[in-house]
Amino acid sequence: EAGVAQSPRYKIIEKRQSVAFWCNPISGHATLYWYQQILGQGPKLLIQFQNNGVVDDSQLPKDRFSAERLKGVDSTLKIQPAKLEDSAVYLCASSAGSWGRANEKLFFGSGTQLSVL
Amino acid sequence: GDSVTQMEGPVTLSEEAFLTINCTYTATGYPSLFWYVQYPGEGLQLLLKATKADDKGSNKGFEATYRKETTSFHLEKGSVQVSDSAVYFCALSDNQGGKLIFGQGTELSVKP
Repeated sequence: EAGVAQSPRYKIIEKRQSVAFWCNPISGHATLYWYQQILGQGPKLLIQFQNNGVVDDSQLPKDRFSAERLKGVDSTLKIQPAKLEDSAVYLCASSAGSWGRANEKLFFGSGTQLSVL
Repeated sequence: GDSVTQMEGPVTLSEEAFLTINCTYTATGYPSLFWYVQYPGEGLQLLLKATKADDKGSNKGFEATYRKETTSFHLEKGSVQVSDSAVYFCALSDNQGGKLIFGQGTELSVKP
């Protein structure tokens, strides 16, 4: 079974530039998550999709971050403009469960490591 | 809001030593509890879970018991191996959509 695919693996940009990350979840998984993991911290949820609708974006810095999941399959996360504090690993995860299934297993991709200089 | 606190690392053990990684949580309601593991160069993967009080999750020799009275979910293994070297994350699911709230992670290094 193919896992969650993310690209690119690494990205280095200067502050105020734009960057985009791509995620392809496991086939058939309805729920998709984007997490931000700053060095030395646990992952923090940025946004959660159920199919192609947003169900939780309460911690997404909407002045600079945006995300979409067209057609309810793959997803892109964009940062524009980037700040130094955005340096982190951006993790995509998916699950087969529908919204409200608290004990559903999440499958994580390997992440995109972003360095903002 | 809901939160998870883990013991700080890094934890360094010799092979075959006993492992405990402490995890406590704060939550309203009755969350599900998880341990995820991140091996070097790999993505996070589920190690074990427990969905209600007094449940014990187990996998690959690791165990954790959901203790509601102490709001804890400590990870244990009787005899660690070098291959267990990884970062371990305790997490809870807030029963509102399935999202996970993670602790800060504990790095484990096992020496031969």
